Amino acid sequence: AQRVTQPEKLLSVFKGAPVELKCNYSYSGSPELFWYVQYSRQRLQLLLRHISRESIKGFTADLNKGETSFHLKKPFAQEEDSAMYYCALSMTQGGSEKLVFGKGTKLTVNP
Amino acid sequence: DAEITQSPRHKITETGRQVTLACHQTWNHNNMFWYRQDLGHGLRLIHYSYGVQDTNKGEVSDGYSVSRSNTEDLPLTLESAASSQTSVYFCASSDGSGEISRTDTQYFGPGTRLTVL
Repeated sequence: AQRVTQPEKLLSVFKGAPVELKCNYSYSGSPELFWYVQYSRQRLQLLLRHISRESIKGFTADLNKGETSFHLKKPFAQEEDSAMYYCALSMTQGGSEKLVFGKGTKLTVNP
Repeated sequence: DAEITQSPRHKITETGRQVTLACHQTWNHNNMFWYRQDLGHGLRLIHYSYGVQDTNKGEVSDGYSVSRSNTEDLPLTLESAASSQTSVYFCASSDGSGEISRTDTQYFGPGTRLTVL
């Protein structure tokens, strides 16, 4: 069965410190992985997806199929990065676009 | 500008009442989804639709129903509200008209906070 695990419910770092939000997945097929972010009082929005291989707001995430991980990283955290982050997994078979979300990690960047 | 909206934004109801949450998108997206967000559970899929007259059950569909009579709307109905359905509900949509091997970005509404007393 598909499953997404975000082991940290809460993560607190200081401004300028590196940050890594962990995400592990369980899926037998070819995975598509995403990171969605929800800033305070804002709606959930896509941050990045692994197939794009892009850096958004200084964040990157590399899909590691061997470790079944898709950790989100940023070398220097900013206060405005404080938000709820969700890792999500989608199947790519038959055009299904269902997403399975992890339970989320609340990131707090302290001044 | 195209967008996705939800109404009401806040709702308080009593156990046993029927409640309908509205979701409306103006992107002409084929796919629409309903999730509930709860502490300790993240986002869980309730129902989804890949087009008009198409509806499918998600992970936590018991006690909920949807109908898709047009492209723009996917209302979520709680047939007989229960306290366990107190939650924040999010609607989302995605294009669904591109490559079937790729998952489109989902765009989320602002959410509806539902309290069942």
